[in-house]
Amino acid sequence: DGGITQSPKYLFRKEGQNVTLSCEQNLNHDAMYWYRQDPGQGLRLIYYSQIVNDFQKGDIAEGYSVSREKKESFPLTVTSAQKNPTAFYLCASSISRDQKETQYFGPGTRLLVL
Amino acid sequence: DAKTTQPTSMDCAEGRAANLPCNHSTISGNEYVYWYRQIHSQGPQYIIHGLKNNETNEMASLIITEDRKSSTLILPHATLRDTAVYYCIVRSMYSGGGADGLTFGKGTHLIIQP
Repeated sequence: DGGITQSPKYLFRKEGQNVTLSCEQNLNHDAMYWYRQDPGQGLRLIYYSQIVNDFQKGDIAEGYSVSREKKESFPLTVTSAQKNPTAFYLCASSISRDQKETQYFGPGTRLLVL
Repeated sequence: DAKTTQPTSMDCAEGRAANLPCNHSTISGNEYVYWYRQIHSQGPQYIIHGLKNNETNEMASLIITEDRKSSTLILPHATLRDTAVYYCIVRSMYSGGGADGLTFGKGTHLIIQP
């Protein structure tokens, strides 16, 4: 089946530890996105990538890093610099970066700090 | 992107049509209206989008007023599985400077009653 997969579903992080969230898509989409969602709130954009080997900061990029070495993959690293990392993280992709293109979302990863 | 206003919550009886309103009075001529929904602890699911004509797909219908300042999402025969938060988003059809992410507000929590 075509779609977007995220792993793991739940992730626990210790204080001061970096963790990486996986996002893979087999839709042949050029653009990929990472969002953060806090309880009872909407989504906020962390990073996005329009094409392989290129990515741009979103509204809340501080404390996060990404890479886009392959079209299918857009992993997100939550670094120790992110002081409040507990949230629901959502990955999305679209055919292109054109605003009119529909974004499709993965199932999400819930990150909890121990 | 233009701002949207939605009711915080709505109830609908199972089997009846659910009509979800959205106000977007500052929408500009090049902006689409998108609808997504999010079932608890899952990623947002794309439902439908339109520019100025009414649209229908297998999930829902979208009615946009002639002045484009408001729209209504219609789920024709609501089921218990339609209980979710529904987001109305206005988005330019052109890629511009800055982030290309979707701006999610708090949406409408639709509760389908048995």
